[in-house]
Amino acid sequence: AQSVTQLDSHVSVSEGTPVLLRCNYSSSYSPSLFWYVQHPNKGLQLLLKYTSAATLVKGINGFEAEFKKSETSFHLTKPSAHMSDAAEYFCVVSPLSGGYNKLIFGAGTRLAVHP
Amino acid sequence: EPEVTQTPSHQVTQMGQEVILRCVPISNHLYFYWYRQILGQKVEFLVSFYNNEISEKSEIFDDQFSVERPDGSNFTLKIRSTKLEDSAMYFCASGTGFDSPLHFGNGTRLTVT
Repeated sequence: AQSVTQLDSHVSVSEGTPVLLRCNYSSSYSPSLFWYVQHPNKGLQLLLKYTSAATLVKGINGFEAEFKKSETSFHLTKPSAHMSDAAEYFCVVSPLSGGYNKLIFGAGTRLAVHP
Repeated sequence: EPEVTQTPSHQVTQMGQEVILRCVPISNHLYFYWYRQILGQKVEFLVSFYNNEISEKSEIFDDQFSVERPDGSNFTLKIRSTKLEDSAMYFCASGTGFDSPLHFGNGTRLTVT
């Protein structure tokens, strides 16, 4: 069965410093992996997706994630945090390669960005 | 940019009452979904809907739940007799195809008292 574990429930960074949000996955075969972001009172927005193409995936707003099969990780990074990045971030796996049906969400990481 | 819209944003209902959560997916989308997030817990898949029928549902989606696309624009989730444990944020999502990104609405917070 597929699952994702987000290793930090809260991350706090200063504006202009790097962001690292950690995610490990468990899958019996090559998964599709995603990062979604949820700003307060907003819906879930797709940041980026991995579907067995390039292992380094670039997303919106300067975020990127690297798929590491040997470590079963899909960590989300950004070189320089902005105040507007403060939100909740979800690492997500799909049971079906390339498909979006029946997404399995991690518990979420709340990112705080301080001036 | 087109959005998935959900109404109401917050609904309070008494235990045992029926509730209908409404969603307007993006107009050219063909796949529709409901997810929910109980406070403090993970976002969970409830059901997917395609071609006017349920394509997949989770264990949560029991006989108390039903979905409908009554016309060309709305997609609804009905809970027949609400329980306290149905209190959650319910998200509607839609997509153009099986492998297309899901667009989520802002959610409806359901509170059952």
